Amino acid sequence: GAVVSQHPSWVICKSGTSVKIECRSLDFQATTMFWYRQFPKQSLMLMATSNEGSKATYEQGVEKDKFLINHASLTLSTLTVTSAHPEDSSFYICSAQGRGLASTDTQYFGPGTRLTVL
Amino acid sequence: EDKVVQSPLSLVVHEGDTVTLNCSYEVTNFRSLLWYKQEKKAPTFLFMLTSSGIEKKSGRLSSILDKKELFSILNITATQTGDSAIYLCAVACFEASNDYKLSFGAGTTVTVRA
Repeated sequence: GAVVSQHPSWVICKSGTSVKIECRSLDFQATTMFWYRQFPKQSLMLMATSNEGSKATYEQGVEKDKFLINHASLTLSTLTVTSAHPEDSSFYICSAQGRGLASTDTQYFGPGTRLTVL
Repeated sequence: EDKVVQSPLSLVVHEGDTVTLNCSYEVTNFRSLLWYKQEKKAPTFLFMLTSSGIEKKSGRLSSILDKKELFSILNITATQTGDSAIYLCAVACFEASNDYKLSFGAGTTVTVRA
């Protein structure tokens, strides 16, 4: 149980384009989803927290107009990087917590999406 | 600002050795401490600790929390090359919204040589 998937796993795009990343909880209802980014050899930095059906809460320094988060259902959250630039190149990871799990506190991570902006 | 500090940052051991990883924290509204293992992709969950002094075990891995001294350790005994990974410590803290968020340490990179 507690499987989280992400799609795509790897994307290369041109500067100025927008990229959408999907995060799905496959076998549980994710009441809360989290989006992180990780630069090489650094730890995970929380970008935003989203609860199903409500607006995401962004961490300080994260531009909400650049990183659009939608959590429309209990199994799907999307992160759209708008007008991506090379400095947005990173590893983006989602995690989810929710109902029907042995521990509602634990976050379960997706496999991550490697974004490279040329 | 919440702080989670892991040590050492990296270590290299030989198969069969025992390793001890440390995680200390200074946070407000502590809820729990979690250990994750990160290999090539996203972290996989190892342990969640909420109470002091109660050891959690899973095979060759074990972990314990000291809420008075604000630290946790993760032990790996009889290490194998498959244990090579980055081990991340994260602390969950309550937020005003009644949700919580994780603050991660920088991780400890463990390399196990055959």
